[in-house]
Amino acid sequence: SQQGEEDPQALSIQEGENATMNCSYKTSINNLQWYRQNSGRGLVHLILIRSNEREKHSGRLRVTLDTSKKSSSLLITASRAADTASYFCATTNFGNEKLTFGTGTRLTIIP
Amino acid sequence: NAGVTQTPKFQVLKTGQSMTLQCAQDMNHEYMSWYRQDPGMGLRLIHYSVGAGITDQGEVPNGYNVSRSTTEDFPLRLLSAAPSQTSVYFCASTKDGSYEQYFGPGTRLTVT
Repeated sequence: SQQGEEDPQALSIQEGENATMNCSYKTSINNLQWYRQNSGRGLVHLILIRSNEREKHSGRLRVTLDTSKKSSSLLITASRAADTASYFCATTNFGNEKLTFGTGTRLTIIP
Repeated sequence: NAGVTQTPKFQVLKTGQSMTLQCAQDMNHEYMSWYRQDPGMGLRLIHYSVGAGITDQGEVPNGYNVSRSTTEDFPLRLLSAAPSQTSVYFCASTKDGSYEQYFGPGTRLTVT
């Protein structure tokens, strides 16, 4: 069964705007990752946040984690056309390296 | 490094046929895994391996076999293809001690 669910399922914004997508999960986690998938391609790792962290930044990406609500958010600032892709959260439980993926958010940046 | 490579890129099978999807990585990663991706369902884990000679089942293992005779290769075998196995298959690898997975480009499989 899917551990995570992303919200919204699809998001369209104008280039230059910020994009926010959310992920909710069901069980306690060791860490949470975000991946990007361009159409017809494999997934690319973006950022990892550990369960004892609340916020992490990487370039134009900002990830937050609220373990009490079992949720995470990914913010992409100053969006570009090249950010058009699907974004997936994935969680890892303690004691193993297996990733459990969410259902993804399809982001479209309108030039 | 070539990273994670998968062959073939596309494959069409008839129901009942068998085939092997190939996956190789040149990063000396111990952990490798196979996923299938279906529309609206994200990725689901089929089988994984924590090192040569060790494999285990994931969430959706039925109809698939794997083996891991070397660190580099992790083939996925479809024993008797069914239309329900129409999907895009991704192989991934992870460096020991890390959680970041490196994905191959995928194999798009259609079973008619």
